[in-house]
Amino acid sequence: GAGVSQSPSNKVTEKGKDVELRCDPISGHTALYWYRQSLGQGLEFLIYFQGNSAPDKSGLPSDRFSAERTGGSVSTLTIQRTQQEDSAVYLCASSFQGQGTEAFFGQGTRLTVV
Amino acid sequence: GENVEQHPSTLSVQEGDSAVIKCTYSDSASNYFPWYKQELGKGPQLIIDIRSNVGEKKDQRIAVTLNKTAKHFSLHITETQPEDSAVYFCAASTTGNQFYFGTGTSLTVIP
Repeated sequence: GAGVSQSPSNKVTEKGKDVELRCDPISGHTALYWYRQSLGQGLEFLIYFQGNSAPDKSGLPSDRFSAERTGGSVSTLTIQRTQQEDSAVYLCASSFQGQGTEAFFGQGTRLTVV
Repeated sequence: GENVEQHPSTLSVQEGDSAVIKCTYSDSASNYFPWYKQELGKGPQLIIDIRSNVGEKKDQRIAVTLNKTAKHFSLHITETQPEDSAVYFCAASTTGNQFYFGTGTSLTVIP
């Protein structure tokens, strides 16, 4: 596709359940980022993948959060044992590090934990 | 790590007036400064960016200025229109690293 695609667009889950959020970056982009945006707030960094390098996980808020990127393309963000404070919009972005660092965002996944 | 501060948090202007949003950063190694516009229910959209080897960049009604010595950069929107109403985020990064975002400015253009 032409842009970053995220699925699902909305997810409602019960407290304590696990969820998986998916991100399809722009084809050829080597860098992929996950951010979290709580209602009316800024963008909180979660994790950053760059090529085959070890990911920068410094923004993950707890060990309930994990992410992987298979084959240098699609990424999945997993939240285990969800809590109400996990409710937010999860945004994914990708960039092509070779030609500059413009990052393009997907439309986000709105997660609601009830 | 980098710390980006953004002001003001809210801004209201009359249609046709100019709007200015300012950001400061702390890491002198930062070399790339994008600005994003986020409309309700959508992801942030890149509207303009500037690199550290440039002091000013303009694209139609939007311009960005960068002062490396003072570590601040600004977004200027001229001849504002109602469709410019949105939340604007500044960011700073170094090549190959994550983006550090400001806290956002909610711009309202009053018709």
